[in-house]
Amino acid sequence: DAGVTQSPTHLIKTRGQHVTLRCSPISGHKSVSWYQQVLGQGPQFIFQYYEKEERGRGNFPDRFSARQFPNYSSELNVNALLLGDSALYLCASSLGWTDPYNEQFFGPGTRLTVL
Amino acid sequence: GQQLNQSPQSMFIQEGEDVSMNCTSSSIFNTWLWYKQDPGEGPVLLIALYKAGELTSNGRLTAQFGITRKDSFLNISASIPSDVGIYFCAGRGSQGNLIFGKGTKLSVKP
Repeated sequence: DAGVTQSPTHLIKTRGQHVTLRCSPISGHKSVSWYQQVLGQGPQFIFQYYEKEERGRGNFPDRFSARQFPNYSSELNVNALLLGDSALYLCASSLGWTDPYNEQFFGPGTRLTVL
Repeated sequence: GQQLNQSPQSMFIQEGEDVSMNCTSSSIFNTWLWYKQDPGEGPVLLIALYKAGELTSNGRLTAQFGITRKDSFLNISASIPSDVGIYFCAGRGSQGNLIFGKGTKLSVKP
């Protein structure tokens, strides 16, 4: 079975531009979460979606937005890019939302570089 | 906000050695997880812990959920070269999100 897939793998943008990152969850998983990982740090939670609705949001500015589609795939959008947005963006999928045994499985990430 | 403190930040291993790392939190978690991340990859789940005091093994890896629910440790026995990488602990937050530590980097002794 395919794991979590993300596209693109790498992306270079300039300040002020916007970017869209895409994620396809493991087949049968209905929840997608997004994390930002800057170099040398652990991943930081951005959003969680379950059944196409936002279920959780981390401490990120409104320039970050996301959505989940009927097929459970998801997009993360970032507007007005800043240099500090350069990071590895990770998508994780899980079967459900808050079930105690509901683990998150990560994709390989999209490496975003903002110049 | 909730923070996880992992130690050590980095360590060098020689093949065959046992390795130990831990994670502490200022807040209680009901679930602790350990992930490993290789360069250019996403984190891979190693072990999940769901009950205070629980001790769980996965091959040469053993992890424990502290009885205070504020800490966890991970042991690797008889390390091999492919154990190198960055190990992250994570606790599950109230939104179902994961809160990660900063990682322990395992490298091979020169």
